[in-house]
Amino acid sequence: GQQLNQSPQSMFIQEGEDVSMNCTSSSIFNTWLWYKQDPGEGPVLLIALYKAGELTSNGRLTAQFGITRKDSFLNISASIPSDVGIYFCAGHPSGTYKYIFGTGTRLKVLA
Amino acid sequence: GAGVSQTPSNKVTEKGKYVELRCDPISGHTALYWYRQSLGQGPEFLIYFQGTGAADDSGLPNDRFFAVRPEGSVSTLKIQRTERGDSAVYLCASSPQGAGSLSSTDTQYFGPGTRLTVL
Repeated sequence: GQQLNQSPQSMFIQEGEDVSMNCTSSSIFNTWLWYKQDPGEGPVLLIALYKAGELTSNGRLTAQFGITRKDSFLNISASIPSDVGIYFCAGHPSGTYKYIFGTGTRLKVLA
Repeated sequence: GAGVSQTPSNKVTEKGKYVELRCDPISGHTALYWYRQSLGQGPEFLIYFQGTGAADDSGLPNDRFFAVRPEGSVSTLKIQRTERGDSAVYLCASSPQGAGSLSSTDTQYFGPGTRLTVL
């Protein structure tokens, strides 16, 4: 099935560092959602974005809806060990009912 | 409960058998989604319900897969003649209105998933 391009695929960072990841699509999206998934669990919603250019924060997390409506970005500031996990973007293409997910960014934080 | 629940959490079956996976959405959520997640991949869309009706079943891989939501709440994903390639985590999600609705503030909340293993 179709999946969005998400980068980086994985990253190791030191505790306290900032993290950036992004998601790109060839289609225009109406909504972008960012999720975190821990092993053996379902994805947990972090941030939802609804308008091009929108910038939304949730604690140390900040996400942006790209101005072209074809991309989105997630930043994590001052990472901590519990930030470890897989981060997924999900987009809702215009004119459809479905969400399409990215391939995931695997984050590992070194204490 | 407060969140989306799925049962069973794990299901092991033999090739060729029939399985049913159940999803209880968040109370009051009209939209329900099923996804399949293979190891190392993001969730892949299977089917979307708005109320009792399947508004989009374009993600179902073949006619061995079927899902129902007869009363607009609980949903069951049914897989006939299971194959080893069906092994994956099956995730259910619900949302208050659903994607494609007039509301521009849709979200979706996931359950813990059912891990299906076909031997």
